[in-house]
Amino acid sequence: DSGVTQTPKHLITATGQRVTLRCSPRSGDLSVYWYQQSLDQGLQFLIQYYNGEERAKGNILERFSAQQFPDLHSELNLSSLELGDSALYFCASSVGQVVGNTIYFGEGSWLTVV
Amino acid sequence: SQQGEEDPQALSIQEGENATMNCSYKTSINNLQWYRQNSGRGLVHLILIRSNEREKHSGRLRVTLDTSKKSSSLLITASRAADTASYFCATVTIQGAQKLVFGQGTRLTINP
Repeated sequence: DSGVTQTPKHLITATGQRVTLRCSPRSGDLSVYWYQQSLDQGLQFLIQYYNGEERAKGNILERFSAQQFPDLHSELNLSSLELGDSALYFCASSVGQVVGNTIYFGEGSWLTVV
Repeated sequence: SQQGEEDPQALSIQEGENATMNCSYKTSINNLQWYRQNSGRGLVHLILIRSNEREKHSGRLRVTLDTSKKSSSLLITASRAADTASYFCATVTIQGAQKLVFGQGTRLTINP
């Protein structure tokens, strides 16, 4: 158990809908990262927050947004869902910034868009 | 875009043999990390090697880094069936916003 908690574990929704994925980082970790894993794109970095502020952005679509709250939990919002958004979404956390720190991953949220 | 590329994409060996996986990357890095993922599960951090290090050991794992060739290798010695998983290298670049960027991974199968 990495200590990173993600909910829900599985989610099935229809195209055009909106979903929210939730992440609780390990106790004491200030950084939260979101990744998308799909068969064709592999593991794609989406976005990173550090202590509530956005620190790095990757291949995140405009239809997606995220935030980190004062209690350090994070949410990833996916809207206007398309079939191609079906993937495993990972949250990860680390004590500090990405450089030199071990990053711990949650078990992921399986999203299926039908 | 992917920074690292693993080679081979898939590897199947007999239990007890050594498994070697390679990773190449494109830009200068601060560090390189190896992760393991069991099917459909989260990623588990295995080892981190910094750009000024050449080799690192952790149990049955040995990682090497050649920054002149922009490549790394992960060696698993005396493999076990439980080592069956996908292995990913990930790099942290030194330019721009620092992100951990993953390669496509090597699917390792250990046959009992």
